[in-house]
Amino acid sequence: KAGVTQTPRYLIKTRGQQVTLSCSPISGHRSVSWYQQTPGQGLQFLFEYFSETQRNKGNFPGRFSGRQFSNSRSEMNVSTLELGDSALYLCASSLGDRPHNEQFFGPGTRLTVL
Amino acid sequence: GDSVTQMEGPVTLSEEAFLTINCTYTATGYPSLFWYVQYPGEGLQLLLKATKADDKGSNKGFEATYRKETTSFHLEKGSVQVSDSAVYFCALYDAGKSTFGDGTTLTVKP
Repeated sequence: KAGVTQTPRYLIKTRGQQVTLSCSPISGHRSVSWYQQTPGQGLQFLFEYFSETQRNKGNFPGRFSGRQFSNSRSEMNVSTLELGDSALYLCASSLGDRPHNEQFFGPGTRLTVL
Repeated sequence: GDSVTQMEGPVTLSEEAFLTINCTYTATGYPSLFWYVQYPGEGLQLLLKATKADDKGSNKGFEATYRKETTSFHLEKGSVQVSDSAVYFCALYDAGKSTFGDGTTLTVKP
């Protein structure tokens, strides 16, 4: 069974631009969560989507948004990029139907904002 | 809100030494607990998990026991190898989101 895939793996953008990251979950998984990983803040939860609906949300500004499609694939969008948005963005999928489902992580997208 | 506190690193050990990485948590609910490992340039891999009090998770010689009374989930391994060098994250999962510790970098020298 294929794992979680994320595209692109690397991105370079400039301040003020916007960016869209993509995540394809493991087949059959309906929950997709997004995390931001930075050296200073560690791993922080952005949001979770389940069956095309945002089910949970972390403490990030409205510039960070996401969506999930009917095939469970998810996209995350960041508008008006700031230097501090440079990070590794990780996506994780799970079955999502139990509170303790295991999450499987993708390799991440490394975003650099210049 | 929920939080996870991990033993600060980095940790450097010689091969075959005993490893302990401390992890304590605070949670409003009744979370599941996890240890993840991250190798350079890669995403997170689940190392082990425990879903209720007194459960012991184990994998690849690593163990951790869910201690509700001390709100702890310490990671242990009896004899580390060079290949265990990585960053280890303690995490809790509750109500649809994971909360991670800051990570502990382990370096094992031959």
